[in-house]
Amino acid sequence: GQQLNQSPQSMFIQEGEDVSMNCTSSSIFNTWLWYKQEPGEGPVLLIALYKAGELTSNGRLTAQFGITRKDSFLNISASIPSDVGIYFCAGPASNFGNEKLTFGTGTRLTIIP
Amino acid sequence: GAVVSQHPSRVICKSGTSVKIECRSLDFQATTMFWYRQFPKKSLMLMATSNEGSKATYEQGVEKDKFLINHASLTLSTLTVTSAHPEDSSFYICSADPGTGTYEQYFGPGTRLTVT
Repeated sequence: GQQLNQSPQSMFIQEGEDVSMNCTSSSIFNTWLWYKQEPGEGPVLLIALYKAGELTSNGRLTAQFGITRKDSFLNISASIPSDVGIYFCAGPASNFGNEKLTFGTGTRLTIIP
Repeated sequence: GAVVSQHPSRVICKSGTSVKIECRSLDFQATTMFWYRQFPKKSLMLMATSNEGSKATYEQGVEKDKFLINHASLTLSTLTVTSAHPEDSSFYICSADPGTGTYEQYFGPGTRLTVT
């Protein structure tokens, strides 16, 4: 089956630093979704990408749909304490009308005061 | 918009009893809802796909008779954990697809189940 690997697995950064993380797949995806999950909560959709090469921003967050369609990147600029959480990429488990999502392994972001 | 609620947020039950978790889409209709299970520090594991008015589709390895899913309306799906055991303790999260064809799913806040 499809697998989504996220890198890095965890990050420890200082407030104000920029953050970069990526998500790679063994197969082609036509949609990439980025979610953030805070402790004890459900994931919240941050950005959705639908076209290879697409670059989309949501405030301080910017995500890109890789040109090979096998990867996606998420950047956070000028991190703040509320950015703490786990970031998951996700994509449709199949590209033939099946709505199921495959989730990545997650990147845990910790901000050092 | 796209708000999904879950109830209860936390539940503690005794081994052998059944627990029902509700998932509601508050401001949109969802023909498809999903149930996930999440272990500590792990990713989301899809348990089943719930379609309004039809039987749920379970993922491989998920016991249908143990995790009963009902999707009675376009805004409500329920997951019943039957004859719960301590190993069923977990964080259960539902999501709803508004059916726009974008694959976007909106998640509930999750239910922490503890079986004693």
